[in-house]
Amino acid sequence: EVQLVESGGGLVQPGGSLRLSCAASGFTFSTYAMYWVRQAPGQGLECVSGISSNGGSTNYANSVKGRFTISRDNSKNTLYLQMVSLRAEDMAVYYCARELGYSSSHAVDYWGQGILVTVSS
Amino acid sequence: DIQMTQSPSSLSASVGDRVTITCRASQSISSYLNWYQQKPGKAPKLLIYNASSLQSGVPSRFSGSASGTDFTLTISGLQPEDFATYYCQQTYTTPRTFGQGTKLEIK
Repeated sequence: EVQLVESGGGLVQPGGSLRLSCAASGFTFSTYAMYWVRQAPGQGLECVSGISSNGGSTNYANSVKGRFTISRDNSKNTLYLQMVSLRAEDMAVYYCARELGYSSSHAVDYWGQGILVTVSS
Repeated sequence: DIQMTQSPSSLSASVGDRVTITCRASQSISSYLNWYQQKPGKAPKLLIYNASSLQSGVPSRFSGSASGTDFTLTISGLQPEDFATYYCQQTYTTPRTFGQGTKLEIK
């Protein structure tokens, strides 16, 4: 069974830093591209960042470029999101997500349960 | 960035109805369009990928189509469990942008 379990969320002050982790199991992690998708309270979905299966290619939403860094450790089956210079508008539930493996669609077929990041003084 | 515009933003319908949700891309995205369903407090669920391919395990009452930069999600014969928010997403290029969502409510 595919499982994605996020950790590392919580309350942080504006300007602070946080690192999210996503522990993956139930599939061959090293062969799948992965994403972080967030959802602010009562708002829609935003694809924050993505990373290729080997970590060699990354992409970011303009809203987080230069402040967030996505990475992965395929030996530990873990995805990361390092967030610095956090702003109030970064407050959201952050989902770890796996790209669909059997098509070229880049759709997401599995999601974690989400973890809340609160940015407040 | 490619902008995705969904319409309507909200929709009221009854069990058994046929409903259509539209998503328009700000430029050509070929068939790189996906549809997701999200219920309150839950992660999204993939329904349709590549504009018209039904994800495994998704009921056949869900279907997708495309015409140029316009994409449509159709639900034929609404069931009580279908009342949720629906999002389109383009994956033609990065950043992979979502539409603003369509909330489907019970009439």
